[in-house]
Amino acid sequence: QKEVEQDPGPLSVPEGAIVSLNCTYSNSAFQYFMWYRQYSRKGPELLMYTYSSGNKEDGRFTAQVDKSSKYISLFIRDSQPSDSATYLCAMSAGFSGGYNKLIFGAGTRLAVHP
Amino acid sequence: NAGVTQTPKFRVLKTGQSMTLLCAQDMNHEYMYWYRQDPGMGLRLIHYSVGEGTTAKGEVPDGYNVSRLKKQNFLLGLESAAPSQTSVYFCATLPEGNTEAFFGQGTRLTVV
Repeated sequence: QKEVEQDPGPLSVPEGAIVSLNCTYSNSAFQYFMWYRQYSRKGPELLMYTYSSGNKEDGRFTAQVDKSSKYISLFIRDSQPSDSATYLCAMSAGFSGGYNKLIFGAGTRLAVHP
Repeated sequence: NAGVTQTPKFRVLKTGQSMTLLCAQDMNHEYMYWYRQDPGMGLRLIHYSVGEGTTAKGEVPDGYNVSRLKKQNFLLGLESAAPSQTSVYFCATLPEGNTEAFFGQGTRLTVV
């Protein structure tokens, strides 16, 4: 079983829709939860970062972490064609022995069509 | 300020050939990582470095070697390329005490 599970999609939605992206995980030591966005043929870039449980909002994006269920979500409101990308969740237990081990999900490909 | 720069961006190798991928950063970050990205597999860690002169194995190190002689550079070597090493390779850096990783643009490698 992978430490982090993420549905690869693809997910296709009309412009203006609310998008929900999710990941589940098995390691209860994870404390840091991130969402990266990766455009085609580009490197991933950090979109949202959450420490421990709770919600975090940034513009049209909301990240939620439910540690009791080992489940994290990213919501995109009023989705735009420019949101079309692959979204990767990533998790970490923090620095240990000088090393921060980031575990990534497989990524969900999202297409927002006009 | 270029951030994280990977060289080359594309390469086609024949089985058995060798090559070196270069990652250069100008952010003075301590930690550097090499990942490979394959369809359905996400990003998998190959090797990493916690500082100049140090390297360590990640999740999938076989067939690769690394060196970090200077803080700003992290090299990934393939001594004898195999088709299974066809992938997109990403370098990432991380400042000390932080969890935000900064990625390069990637190197698309095809081994035929």
